[in-house]
Amino acid sequence: ELKVEQNPLFLSMQEGKNYTIYCNYSTTSDRLYWYRQDPGKSLESLFVLLSNGAVKQEGRLMASLDTKARLSTLHITAAVHDLSATYFCAVDTLTQGGSEKLVFGKGTKLTVNP
Amino acid sequence: KAGVTQTPRYLIKTRGQQVTLSCSPISGHRSVSWYQQTPGQGLQFLFEYFSETQRNKGNFPGRFSGRQFSNSRSEMNVSTLELGDSALYLCASSEGSTGELFFGEGSRLTVL
Repeated sequence: ELKVEQNPLFLSMQEGKNYTIYCNYSTTSDRLYWYRQDPGKSLESLFVLLSNGAVKQEGRLMASLDTKARLSTLHITAAVHDLSATYFCAVDTLTQGGSEKLVFGKGTKLTVNP
Repeated sequence: KAGVTQTPRYLIKTRGQQVTLSCSPISGHRSVSWYQQTPGQGLQFLFEYFSETQRNKGNFPGRFSGRQFSNSRSEMNVSTLELGDSALYLCASSEGSTGELFFGEGSRLTVL
């Protein structure tokens, strides 16, 4: 059974600092997704990583995927308060019958303090 | 393009009742998935439908069921509600090529 582990689960950081969130998964997959969730809201898609070595950047966030290490990272550069949210990684596993389902990590609650 | 629409957004039920939640996917998306989100268990996969067929089901009891219509709209039903069914139920649609899911705002169910 695929397991997805994120760390840290809670992250409090100061504005202007850099930090990395890690996402490890237990079985072979080459599709990984990052989502953001604000309190009381739904999930917003941030990045879609579809191959080994994939790197995507949007603003102060950069995501990468190493399928051999079964590891994805979400790097935050010069954090600002607006980045405060919960970030989830999710791994796709193509199941029998051709359907795909995502297995989510438990999420990293990021708080950026002034 | 309109996003994924879920109704109702909030509802309160009592134990033993049943509930039906509705989801309209993004136009052109044929795959619809349902997830349950709770503080304790996080996001858990319920089931996925494609062209009116359930392609995959998560580890939930038979009280949880769903269906998809020919226009790709989907419903999920929970019968004999239990307190532990209180959760945010999220519907997501996908156009299939990348596996990326687009989520609706969710239906927040409270069971008293």
